[in-house]
Amino acid sequence: EAGVAQSPRYKIIEKRQSVAFWCNPISGHATLYWYQQILGQGPKLLIQFQNNGVVDDSQLPKDRFSAERLKGVDSTLKIQPAKLEDSAVYLCASSLAGRPSTDTQYFGPGTRLTVL
Amino acid sequence: KQEVTQIPAALSVPEGENLVLNCSFTDSAIYNLQWFRQDPGKGLTSLLLIQSSQREQTSGRLNASLDKSSGRSTLYIAASQPGDSATYLCAVQPSGGYNKLIFGAGTRLAVHP
Repeated sequence: EAGVAQSPRYKIIEKRQSVAFWCNPISGHATLYWYQQILGQGPKLLIQFQNNGVVDDSQLPKDRFSAERLKGVDSTLKIQPAKLEDSAVYLCASSLAGRPSTDTQYFGPGTRLTVL
Repeated sequence: KQEVTQIPAALSVPEGENLVLNCSFTDSAIYNLQWFRQDPGKGLTSLLLIQSSQREQTSGRLNASLDKSSGRSTLYIAASQPGDSATYLCAVQPSGGYNKLIFGAGTRLAVHP
């Protein structure tokens, strides 16, 4: 079974520039998550999709971050404009169900973003 | 607000030692607690999931316990090996959420030959 795919793996940009990350979840997984992991910290949930719809985006900085999941499969996360504090690893994960369950979240390798 | 704390932040041990990683959380209203492993440049891999009604789970040399009332979990690694070197993350799934996970900052483990 193919895992969660993410691209690019690394990205370096200057502050105030824009950047986009792409995620392809495991086939058949209804729920998709984007996490931000700052160096030395645990991952923090930015946004969670259930099929096409957003079920939790309470920690997404909506003035600069946006995300979409078209057709309930692939997802993109965009930052515009980027700030220095956005430097982090952006992890995508997917799971079968999403509602309170014992489903395990499967994580992609992440995209390491450096903002100069 | 749920907070997850992991102690120690880093640990270096010789091969063969048994070791314990600690995790504490502030709100006992959880569905489950999970332990993940993170290798450099790779994503997270789920190791063990303990449901709120369970006390422990075992997988190979790993054993995780959960004391929900006191807000604590431990991950026990028996007979450590250099291949166990990684960062270990603890995460809780709060009750009432949509499978959201709240992570601790992790314990960075180095097992040297």
